[in-house]
Amino acid sequence: AQTVTQSQPEMSVQEAETVTLSCTYDTSENNYYLFWYKQPPSRQMILVIRQEAYKQQNATENRFSVNFQKAAKSFSLKISDSQLGDTAMYFCAFRTATGANSKLTFGKGITLSVRP
Amino acid sequence: KAGVTQTPRYLIKTRGQQVTLSCSPISGHRSVSWYQQTPGQGLQFLFEYFSETQRNKGNFPGRFSGRQFSNSRSEMNVSTLELGDSALYLCASSLGASGTYYYEQYFGPGTRLTVT
Repeated sequence: AQTVTQSQPEMSVQEAETVTLSCTYDTSENNYYLFWYKQPPSRQMILVIRQEAYKQQNATENRFSVNFQKAAKSFSLKISDSQLGDTAMYFCAFRTATGANSKLTFGKGITLSVRP
Repeated sequence: KAGVTQTPRYLIKTRGQQVTLSCSPISGHRSVSWYQQTPGQGLQFLFEYFSETQRNKGNFPGRFSGRQFSNSRSEMNVSTLELGDSALYLCASSLGASGTYYYEQYFGPGTRLTVT
């Protein structure tokens, strides 16, 4: 079974600064996907960024980038130039890339507050 | 294009009752997954449906069931409600089913169920 661990329950960052959210996972699979989802207060969950395990290059989406360390099973999210709209809960998630049983497994989430 | 819709958005039920939640996927999407979100357990996978067939199931008791209709709309039912069933129930739709090919999941706003 796969597990996803987000050990920091809350973080706070000043607007325009950079923040890194940590995530570790455990799996015996070799092919899988990793995700960061954002859930703003009372709003829908949206996908922030996705990483395929077979790709060595770290994924980047505008101000969002990941540091994927496959051997260490670590998948952190870096948010540059933080904006007030980045305030939300962030979930790290895992999904296998093989077989029929490839549900999303989520971490407990981290609440990020961006201060003006 | 309309997003994933879930009805009702809020629901209050009494212990022992049953409840049915509905999810309408994005037009053209054939897969629907359900998740339960609670402060204590986080996000947990309930089940996934594709072309009216349940493809995956999470570790929930048999009181939790679901189905999918020919138009891809899905319902989930919880019978004999318990206080611990109070949660945000999220539905996510995707073009295809889980497997080796990646299909992004788009989440709905959720149904907030309160059991008293």
